[in-house]
Amino acid sequence: SQQGEEDPQALSIQEGENATMNCSYKTSINNLQWYRQNSGRGLVHLILIRSNEREKHSGRLRVTLDTSKKSSSLLITASRAADTASYFCATLQTFGKGITLSVRP
Amino acid sequence: EAQVTQNPRYLITVTGKKLTVTCSQNMNHEYMSWYRQDPGLGLRQIYYSMNVEVTDKGDVPEGYKVSRKEKRNFPLILESPSPNQTSLYFCASQAGQNYNEQFFGPGTRLTVL
Repeated sequence: SQQGEEDPQALSIQEGENATMNCSYKTSINNLQWYRQNSGRGLVHLILIRSNEREKHSGRLRVTLDTSKKSSSLLITASRAADTASYFCATLQTFGKGITLSVRP
Repeated sequence: EAQVTQNPRYLITVTGKKLTVTCSQNMNHEYMSWYRQDPGLGLRQIYYSMNVEVTDKGDVPEGYKVSRKEKRNFPLILESPSPNQTSLYFCASQAGQNYNEQFFGPGTRLTVL
């Protein structure tokens, strides 16, 4: 069962621009997590936001959570070419299909 | 260094030949799981284990077995691999059982001919 679904499926931006990625989920959650995956490698945890939190920051990352809409967004500010990767949201150990982000130098 | 290791990293095999992919973590985590990743389908959970001798099916368990005899190890067994099990496999572990951050292994790319 696919709990989280990301949107858009793919995103291409210029270096220095902000990237916004969205995630929707279906059932009640304890927390929502975002992960990053470089091509063919293991996922790396980026940030966890609990169900009683609305916003969280970590460096250039900003995550919001709206439990009434069952949605979350991940904002990467001042993107870099090295941010090129796939990004996944996860709830209840279930991952979405991922968003492919390409940052052009 | 805290890590999850998997072996082998790459494997090409033939239909029906039993294989085992090992997974080991050095963080004393209770929870471990196996995922497969396929294009367009994302990550799907195969099996998970909440602690030693406690395992349960995930979303796509057919054709797989697991065991958890020790806390650090969680091998994935394919008794009779088939071509539709060609995939990229990830092992992951986490502390506790409350949907915490998961630590992923580097992946095992399996091809079944």
